[in-house]
Amino acid sequence: GESVGLHLPTLSVQEGDNSIINCAYSNSASDYFIWYKQESGKGPQFIIDIRSNMDKRQGQRVTVLLNKTVKHLSLQIAATQPGDSAVYFCASSSGGSYIPTFGRGTSLIVHP
Amino acid sequence: DVKVTQSSRYLVKRTGEKVFLECVQDMDHENMFWYRQDPGLGLRLIYFSYDVKMKEKGDIPEGYSVSREKKERFSLILESASTNQTSMYLCASSPTALYEQYFGPGTRLTVT
Repeated sequence: GESVGLHLPTLSVQEGDNSIINCAYSNSASDYFIWYKQESGKGPQFIIDIRSNMDKRQGQRVTVLLNKTVKHLSLQIAATQPGDSAVYFCASSSGGSYIPTFGRGTSLIVHP
Repeated sequence: DVKVTQSSRYLVKRTGEKVFLECVQDMDHENMFWYRQDPGLGLRLIYFSYDVKMKEKGDIPEGYSVSREKKERFSLILESASTNQTSMYLCASSPTALYEQYFGPGTRLTVT
């Protein structure tokens, strides 16, 4: 079966630093990937997605990198701000499935 | 903006009670999902629905049932609540496969 995992459960950074959150997936057929942000007391919110025909996608202050060779996904947040403190989830799906597989989450703590 | 609302933010029920959690989305999405979220276990899919009156079991359907009589509404039912069903319940919707999911704010259910 497919599993999606995160390398670090907690990441602490200083305000202004760049943050990198990593995610590994096991299903080589995975072809769609999403990063979600979940603030305390709220449901997850979409940040950025990437399809398997791309290696990199950029949004506002965020970049997702996909390395299909090693089945690895990362989320880079530039100039991290206190408002970025949250739990970040990766999710992947394959074959047109409606059902993504979620990672367990990394807690990002931004110190002012 | 897509809006997914859940009937309660916090709910306290007694063991053996029947519990209804309701979810409504306002964007005419085909697909709706119920997850539970527990510390260290991430998001686990309970049930999903890809159309009115259609439902599919997720990873942990035992002890739960669902109802989708209207496109915009997806209900999760705990037939006889148990303490191990104490959790955060998240509803989500999406328009199609390989697309982001839009989450509600969650219902924190405590069963005593």
